[in-house]
Amino acid sequence: QKEVEQDPGPLSVPEGAIVSLNCTYSNSAFQYFMWYRQYSRKGPELLMYTYSSGNKEDGRFTAQVDKSSKYISLFIRDSQPSDSATYLCAMSAVGLTGGGNKLTFGTGTQLKVEL
Amino acid sequence: SAVISQKPSRDICQRGTSLTIQCQVDSQVTMMFWYRQQPGQSLTLIATANQGSEATYESGFVIDKFPISRPNLTFSTLTVSNMSPEDSSIYLCSARQGSADTQYFGPGTRLTVL
Repeated sequence: QKEVEQDPGPLSVPEGAIVSLNCTYSNSAFQYFMWYRQYSRKGPELLMYTYSSGNKEDGRFTAQVDKSSKYISLFIRDSQPSDSATYLCAMSAVGLTGGGNKLTFGTGTQLKVEL
Repeated sequence: SAVISQKPSRDICQRGTSLTIQCQVDSQVTMMFWYRQQPGQSLTLIATANQGSEATYESGFVIDKFPISRPNLTFSTLTVSNMSPEDSSIYLCSARQGSADTQYFGPGTRLTVL
C-alpha cells in the first residue's frame, strides 16, 4: 500500500463547477499538508499549505485536513479553464524547521475544466 | 518565494553517457533538493544537496549514480551518470527558503535516454 493515495483522474468538469480533489494517507505521523499545481511541462507550484487538521481558504481554493480519517481535500470554486492542470498532494511528518525534509507526494490528479 | 531555474530544460542522451543538470535560485536558500518524476508516478526525492558537504541520499539512490554538488547557497548540480533508458524521467530541483516549512520547485529537466 502506498503511503499516499490519489486518484489520477482525469477529472473533467464544466467551467464554474466546484471541484473536489482528495488524497488519503496511511502514516498517522503526517502533520504538514500541501497542495501543488503542475501545468504541463512545468514544475510544481505551491498552492496551499496547512498544518494539522482544519480548513484554510485562499481565494477560490480551500484546503481541508481530516487527520482522524487520514483524508485531505482541495476544493476549487468557480473553476476556470486556467485551472486545468495536475494537482499533487504532498505531506510530511516533520516540518522543515524541525530538520525534516522529506515530502511524500501523491501521484497527482489531472483536472480539465471545459468551456 | 524563490525563483528557481534549471538547465537544460530537456535533453536526449545516449546510453552510457552522463548529463549534468544545473539549478540556480535567485536568492540564498537554506536547503536544496533533487527529485525525480516518472510518468504516472509520484515525485521521488533523490537527495538533499548540502552546502559545503556531501549530499544526503534517499534509499535506492547512490552517489556514484547521482553525484551532486552545492558550492554555495544559490546553486546546485545533479549528474546522472552512465545513463540507461530507465533513467528517462523529469528531474526537478527544489529549495526551502528561510524558516518556511515548504519547498518551491524549478521547471524541471526532461531527460530521454536512448
